[in-house]
Amino acid sequence: GAVVSQHPSWVICKSGTSVKIECRSLDFQATTMFWYRQFPKQSLMLMATSNEGSKATYEQGVEKDKFLINHASLTLSTLTVTSAHPEDSSFYICSARGLDGYEQYFGPGTRLTVT
Amino acid sequence: GDSVTQMEGPVTLSEEAFLTINCTYTATGYPSLFWYVQYPGEGLQLLLKATKADDKGSNKGFEATYRKETTSFHLEKGSVQVSDSAVYFCALIAYTGNQFYFGTGTSLTVIP
Repeated sequence: GAVVSQHPSWVICKSGTSVKIECRSLDFQATTMFWYRQFPKQSLMLMATSNEGSKATYEQGVEKDKFLINHASLTLSTLTVTSAHPEDSSFYICSARGLDGYEQYFGPGTRLTVT
Repeated sequence: GDSVTQMEGPVTLSEEAFLTINCTYTATGYPSLFWYVQYPGEGLQLLLKATKADDKGSNKGFEATYRKETTSFHLEKGSVQVSDSAVYFCALIAYTGNQFYFGTGTSLTVIP
């Protein structure tokens, strides 16, 4: 149990376009989902926390207009990178926390490359 | 604030060698402690966890003991295999908190 999926697993897009990444909890309801960014050979950096049905809370230094997060249901959160630039190229990982506790389950990640 | 410090890599070991990856933490209260593993090109997988002092987490031959007196959660394995090659992250989450705090990761390469 407690499986989190992400789609797509990798994406290449051109500079200036927008990209949407989906995060789904497959076998549990996730009241809270988290979005992380990982640079090569570095640790994960929390970008934002989203609760179902409410606006996401962004960490300091993360542009909320650039990284749009929507948590429309208890099993789906989306991250849209708007007007992507090469410096947005990174590995994006989501995690989800269920109704019953504090443990987070991580998705497999999405590698974004902006050319 | 809360934080995790883990030994820097990369670490290279021969197969069947003993592994230790050090991890210390700073936190208010009583956090839960985790080790995650990330294989190349993949996301994080929970390796083991401990939720209170003196607890020992174990999985796949890996062990770590929650030491409150030394604020440590060192990862050990008695005999590593080539398939253990990956990046290992130590992490904590506060008892009342949302956020994971990750260490910087330690890359392990096991050579035959």
